[in-house]
Amino acid sequence: GDSVTQMEGPVTLSEEAFLTINCTYTATGYPSLFWYVQYPGEGLQLLLKATKADDKGSNKGFEATYRKETTSFHLEKGSVQVSDSAVYFCALRGTGGFKTIFGAGTRLFVKA
Amino acid sequence: NAGVTQTPKFQVLKTGQSMTLQCAQDMNHNSMYWYRQDPGMGLRLIYYSASEGTTDKGEVPNGYNVSRLNKREFSLRLESAAPSQTSVYFCAVDLGDNTGELFFGEGSRLTVL
Repeated sequence: GDSVTQMEGPVTLSEEAFLTINCTYTATGYPSLFWYVQYPGEGLQLLLKATKADDKGSNKGFEATYRKETTSFHLEKGSVQVSDSAVYFCALRGTGGFKTIFGAGTRLFVKA
Repeated sequence: NAGVTQTPKFQVLKTGQSMTLQCAQDMNHNSMYWYRQDPGMGLRLIYYSASEGTTDKGEVPNGYNVSRLNKREFSLRLESAAPSQTSVYFCAVDLGDNTGELFFGEGSRLTVL
C-alpha cells in the first residue's frame, strides 16, 4: 500500500540556518503530495502541496519539489526563524482514493 | 476556530467506559475524516466519510464506530475504551472535491486509565 517515510527528528537549527527535511513515498500512479505543519497545541495546517511531477509547492518561504524519478518531496527553507519551530508532516493522497497518508512527522527546533 | 469544531477537547475515561467524540463543520464539504495521533507514529486514519450517509474504514478502525447522519457532523464512538486508545484525535475536512487538502480541528485529547 501507499506509504510515506520522512527523516527522524528532532532537527535543531540556529536562526537563519538552511533547512531540509527529507520525505520519500511509495505509491502507484501519480499521487498528490503535501507538507503539513503542526504548532504546539494545535491541529495540522496545510503548508504546501504539489499535484504532478516537477511541480514546486511553496508557501511562507518553504519549498518542495515533486520528484517522480526519486519518489521524493523534500521540504526546504533558506533561512529559518524561531517561529518555524513545529512538527512537519509529509503526506500523500493516492490517485482515485479518499485517504491521505501521513509520515511520522519531524520535529524542528530553531534556536535564537 | 471557525471551520471544524471538536468536542470535548479533553476527556479522561476508565477502561471499559464508552464515549463519543463529536465533530462539526461549517464549511459545507463532503469528505470528513477521523485520525489519531500518537508519538512517533504520525497520524493514522481511523475512519472516513466521503459523503453524507457513507463511511469507510481506514488503517486502524478496530475498537471504534462512526456515524455521519448529516453533511455537517461526523462522530467517533468508543464502545469500550482501552488504554491503547489513549491518544489525540483529530477530525478533518477535505477542502475540495477529494483533493487531499485537509482542514483540521484542534484535536481532542483522550486518556484511558
